[in-house]
Amino acid sequence: SQTIHQWPATLVQPVGSPLSLECTVEGTSNPNLYWYRQAAGRGLQLLFYSVGIGQISSEVPQNLSASRPQDRQFILSSKKLLLSDSGFYLCAWVYSGARYGYTFGSGTRLTVV
Amino acid sequence: GQSLEQPSEVTAVEGAIVQINCTYQTSGFYGLSWYQQHDGGAPTFLSYNGLDGLEETGRFSSFLSRSDSYGYLLLQELQMKDSASYFCAVRDRMRSNYQLIWGAGTKLIIKP
Repeated sequence: SQTIHQWPATLVQPVGSPLSLECTVEGTSNPNLYWYRQAAGRGLQLLFYSVGIGQISSEVPQNLSASRPQDRQFILSSKKLLLSDSGFYLCAWVYSGARYGYTFGSGTRLTVV
Repeated sequence: GQSLEQPSEVTAVEGAIVQINCTYQTSGFYGLSWYQQHDGGAPTFLSYNGLDGLEETGRFSSFLSRSDSYGYLLLQELQMKDSASYFCAVRDRMRSNYQLIWGAGTKLIIKP
């Protein structure tokens, strides 16, 4: 079966510090991978998606970046965090179209102080 | 533009039936999905409608009318554990790679 791992679960970082969130998928190959952010009480905002190694598409211009160094690994990074980067970050993958739905990782709650 | 509208909050009684509506506006509608998210947790996939009509999965059903750009999620025999936020999301042909457009979510409050 397919599983998705995301870590860490919570993170408190000072403004201006770097960020690295990692997501890995097991049990599938060449998945479409996504990074979403959710502000408290709000919907999901797509940040990046990737259809393969080294292929990254950005939806929202910001100080975040993403990389996909391996087929089942997706990394979200920042060189200098802003207060506005606080939120709930979710990694997701989808199998064979929307009918099967996105599978989300457990999420990382980031607080920038 | 592309947008989805759903009520911000719905209140219902345990054991009752509740319907959460979603209206959408997209340039190339492909399908409507529903997700459940408990406080502090990640969204989980509930259902998908690509064609008009009703899809049933246990206590949950989802309906789509493409001519009305409208869908709903129906929850029956409500249980306290159904207290969560529910999101509708649309797959749009104009967006590649299974990207979804998300509603802002409906918080379902269930009273005993």
